Amino acid sequence: IAGITQAPTSQILAAGRRMTLRCTQDMRHNAMYWYRQDLGLGLRLIHYSNTAGTTGKGEVPDGYSVSRANTDDFPLTLASAVPSQTSVYFCASSPLAGDSRDTQYFGPGTRLTVL
Amino acid sequence: GQNIDQPTEMTATEGAIVQINCTYQTSGFNGLFWYQQHAGEAPTFLSYNVLDGLEEKGRFSSFLSRSKGYSYLLLKELQMKDSASYLCAVLDSNYQLIWGAGTKLIIKP
Repeated sequence: IAGITQAPTSQILAAGRRMTLRCTQDMRHNAMYWYRQDLGLGLRLIHYSNTAGTTGKGEVPDGYSVSRANTDDFPLTLASAVPSQTSVYFCASSPLAGDSRDTQYFGPGTRLTVL
Repeated sequence: GQNIDQPTEMTATEGAIVQINCTYQTSGFNGLFWYQQHAGEAPTFLSYNVLDGLEEKGRFSSFLSRSKGYSYLLLKELQMKDSASYLCAVLDSNYQLIWGAGTKLIIKP
């Protein structure tokens, strides 16, 4: 693994189903983030984690949950998917949370369609 | 509320210079970032400004005026591969990135 990976690449999901998007980084970054990107809107933060064992809510957390059991993995779960959760989901990581020079590095994204 | 404004789309000619503007109103300021995003790909880091002035990095430069809540990204000697969206993002007082919607740059031969 080099950098940050996400799985699956794309997924079509029936409404009401549960889905977990996976994210793994091998850069030993402290902080990790989940964003969604919709046409005409900026990236919107769903949840974040500044260090293993802690998580926080972003701008649009409703309908999503996360966990951070270790440094490398940061899965995002949709408990019961709805069509408005159709989006491209990006996972990102950064070395130093709370530092003004902290640069985020992005995974390749997961394109999710909820029907 | 927090707000970042960028033009939705710009068109420029190969070999020319283009300036992409970004204005922001955020709760606090801990730096401004520019990212490049090609269609269907992830955003990648271009530049970072926290002090007023111009930061130059090859063909790309980024300028910041904190008093005006304004930044621009300057791209010189445009190449076809520069066709992409350019995202402006501000690190707010909680050290969270607030993102603009992005500017789609179209390069014509």
